[in-house]
Amino acid sequence: TQLLEQSPQFLSIQEGENLTVYCNSSSVFSSLQWYRQEPGEGPVLLVTVVTGGEVKKLKRLTFQFGDARKDSSLHITAAQPGDTGLYLCAGDAGGYQKVTFGTGTKLQVIP
Amino acid sequence: SAVISQKPSRDICQRGTSLTIQCQVDSQVTMMFWYRQQPGQSLTLIATANQGSEATYESGFVIDKFPISRPNLTFSTLTVSNMSPEDSSIYLCSVDGVVSTDTQYFGPGTRLTVL
Repeated sequence: TQLLEQSPQFLSIQEGENLTVYCNSSSVFSSLQWYRQEPGEGPVLLVTVVTGGEVKKLKRLTFQFGDARKDSSLHITAAQPGDTGLYLCAGDAGGYQKVTFGTGTKLQVIP
Repeated sequence: SAVISQKPSRDICQRGTSLTIQCQVDSQVTMMFWYRQQPGQSLTLIATANQGSEATYESGFVIDKFPISRPNLTFSTLTVSNMSPEDSSIYLCSVDGVVSTDTQYFGPGTRLTVL
């Protein structure tokens, strides 16, 4: 069974602060996705990373895939209340294996 | 991307009854999935809904408790049978294969409360 551990589990910060969320596994993934979920909604895809060492930027969000494709990080610069939500990473090992979702990080940005 | 709708969005049910959740996609998709999620927590895959054949269930989930239908490439239902308070959760359907097989799109979820 592939496990994706996210840290921290909970994060409450002031508007304007920076933060990093980590997604770690002992398994290798062919691709990794990051989702954000707001209350009452389904998860929404933010980004997919596929190459070891890859860095993708989405406005104030920076995503990195580890060189060995076992881990990833999400860095948010100058967090805003609109960033509040549950962040989920998800790894796809490829082939017929199912996508594995991370344990989740609940972020609260206080105005 | 794909637009996915679910009905109902929420329900409160009595113990021992059953509830059927519908999932409709605006385009034909190969794979449809059903997940369960406790509020603020990660997703647990219940089953993969296969078009034209029986659903594939994950460990800990059985067809008698969670019967699934997939009559065509745009629609699926999940029934939660003989409900107990432990079934209170958010149920989400998702699809992949719209853009690529590693990208899933989710419905808004159905929040179920069993009394």
